[in-house]
Amino acid sequence: QSVLTQPPSVSAAPGQKVTISCSGSSSNIGNNYVSWYQQLPGTAPKLLIYDNNKRPSGIPDRFSGSKSGTSATLGITGLQTGDEADYYCGTWDSSLSAVVFGGGTKLIVL
Amino acid sequence: QVQLQESGPGLVKPSETLSLTCTVSGGSFSTYYWNWIRQPPGRGLEWLGYFYYTGSTNYNPSLNSRVTISVDTSKNQFSLRLTSVTAADTAVYYCARSGAVADTIYYWGQGTLVTVSS
Repeated sequence: QSVLTQPPSVSAAPGQKVTISCSGSSSNIGNNYVSWYQQLPGTAPKLLIYDNNKRPSGIPDRFSGSKSGTSATLGITGLQTGDEADYYCGTWDSSLSAVVFGGGTKLIVL
Repeated sequence: QVQLQESGPGLVKPSETLSLTCTVSGGSFSTYYWNWIRQPPGRGLEWLGYFYYTGSTNYNPSLNSRVTISVDTSKNQFSLRLTSVTAADTAVYYCARSGAVADTIYYWGQGTLVTVSS
């Protein structure tokens, strides 16, 4: 049972846009920055978005992040087959004093 | 470029202690948070805890004091000890580095699979 709630899977066609939601509470998303991670099959997670909407060097602008209240959203435009992966949101939970993650969302590019 | 590499036994017996080491290259231990995160097969990520360069530690409360993270700066390594393991502790274990704040994991090791079985 993850502290942050994500849909198990989302799907879209190549070239389309998809969004992945991450829902939390005032003790985590509501008062802390959100990060997003991409985990390609068989590899370690990689940071995609930090501080709600910032991209590390080398991450294309097809990836974007936003936050509103106790929810956050990852957006991916111009979908490519190489984007098929598991995506996780993460943040700090002030009540637990712990880093928390969502359960992960599998992106399927049809 | 910061690189992290986990090492340790791939098989641990139930009730024994799991011990892993992370070797860090390309950076120092100052200013940052050094984490252990695990991922059971086919499941999501679970943060285990961190060591902060000041010497403070913080652990996932769900682990009931079974976890200890320590650092050996002379070897550029930090370590994980997880006691009284069960099959539920079977997972890929990642060492990882946050920034000046703990909430974001900037760098990840490649991960190492640890299986708990007799």
